[in-house]
Amino acid sequence: EPEVTQTPSHQVTQMGQEVILRCVPISNHLYFYWYRQILGQKVEFLVSFYNNEISEKSEIFDDQFSVERPDGSNFTLKIRSTKLEDSAMYFCASRGIAALNEKLFFGSGTQLSVL
Amino acid sequence: AQKITQTQPGMFVQEKEAVTLDCTYDTSDPSYGLFWYKQPSSGEMIFLIYQGSYDQQNATEGRYSLNFQKARKSANLVISASQLGDSAMYFCAMREGRGSGGGADGLTFGKGTHLIIQP
Repeated sequence: EPEVTQTPSHQVTQMGQEVILRCVPISNHLYFYWYRQILGQKVEFLVSFYNNEISEKSEIFDDQFSVERPDGSNFTLKIRSTKLEDSAMYFCASRGIAALNEKLFFGSGTQLSVL
Repeated sequence: AQKITQTQPGMFVQEKEAVTLDCTYDTSDPSYGLFWYKQPSSGEMIFLIYQGSYDQQNATEGRYSLNFQKARKSANLVISASQLGDSAMYFCAMREGRGSGGGADGLTFGKGTHLIIQP
């Protein structure tokens, strides 16, 4: 089965530093998402992206966050000035069509630790 | 208000027994889809099963089935003949129809149930 690929698997950064989390969605997919999961808690929606623009974003996705699809394959999440509370597992997901029953394919996640 | 409620933070079950993981949801949209994902300790999110709001029959996928009670707004996951490898976090999630569905229809997740299968 095709996969969503995320790099790096682990990222450690100092508070205030910028981080970029990278994702390669499944090649023919059109809809892209970032979710995060703070340790032991539920998976929270951050942002959805379609047709080269943000479709929807949650309250978590403030001005410190941005997403980009710089080329035909990568989808990135940038955190400009990381805070301690940004420490979490970040999941990228994608899907091919806008059907109600279309599942999200998730990557294996990037564990971000902000020190 | 919580859109997805999973009331069992943790469950211990003997191997080979059947397991029911509870999920209730809240939506006013007549068109919606319900998903279950498994998250083992390695962290990845694995899709298990889907149930649409208009589906007449309960969904089944191998040992997984969904006990869909629309009037009660519940979509419980049933795992038959549990195995040690079923030990994981299980998340219920919902997507609402919202008309056009133009890419903004991600999933809203519950808090999850941590299932531990004991030998």
